[in-house]
Amino acid sequence: DTGVSQDPRHKITKRGQNVTFRCDPISEHNRLYWYRQTLGQGPEFLTYFQNEAQLEKSRLLSDRFSAERPKGSFSTLEIQRTEQGDSAMYLCASSTIMGEQYFGPGTRLTVT
Amino acid sequence: GEDVEQSLFLSVREGDSSVINCTYTDSSSTYLYWYKQEPGAGLQLLTYIFSNMDMKQDQRLTVLLNKKDKHLSLRIADTQTGDSAIYFCAEYLSSGYALNFGKGTSLLVTP
Repeated sequence: DTGVSQDPRHKITKRGQNVTFRCDPISEHNRLYWYRQTLGQGPEFLTYFQNEAQLEKSRLLSDRFSAERPKGSFSTLEIQRTEQGDSAMYLCASSTIMGEQYFGPGTRLTVT
Repeated sequence: GEDVEQSLFLSVREGDSSVINCTYTDSSSTYLYWYKQEPGAGLQLLTYIFSNMDMKQDQRLTVLLNKKDKHLSLRIADTQTGDSAIYFCAEYLSSGYALNFGKGTSLLVTP
């Protein structure tokens, strides 16, 4: 299977804890994107990487959020000091430059 | 930012055609997309259209684009119960990286 994969698929955490999600893009894709989706809404852009460089961050990405793509392959998204408002589906997508974005299955985060 | 607009719900009978409409925001958008999302799953790319086209057909799917009105539609012919899902319209922003999604249209196909 050469699609986008994400791990874990589900995460339940207590408020105030830190969580980290991983995304493995399609291997030949040099762009990687993170989106957040809440119930009843479409995905909202968070950030994107071209190779290992983080080129854009949305204003939705507060300073408690950090994303990395250290070797230009997989990426991690960390949320520190989680809040209940962080509960959402976190989606990763990848593409070639100017190509279509292919999405992974998402990580559903529940903050209790 | 501005909102991509979609109607929230559509119900059709199996075998009928479904038409899902979308109004997008960025007149400079180069590509427009339709994605499908089933419960608890990620987004599946269904089809897309380049902004210099006004129609694209792909098996049961037909996309129509009216650039003047910034209107996009997705027609599904011979709709099946397996087509029941949420359909998202998305515009590729002229900034060159992010997709701007609508809130999705929930399609229910009844037998």
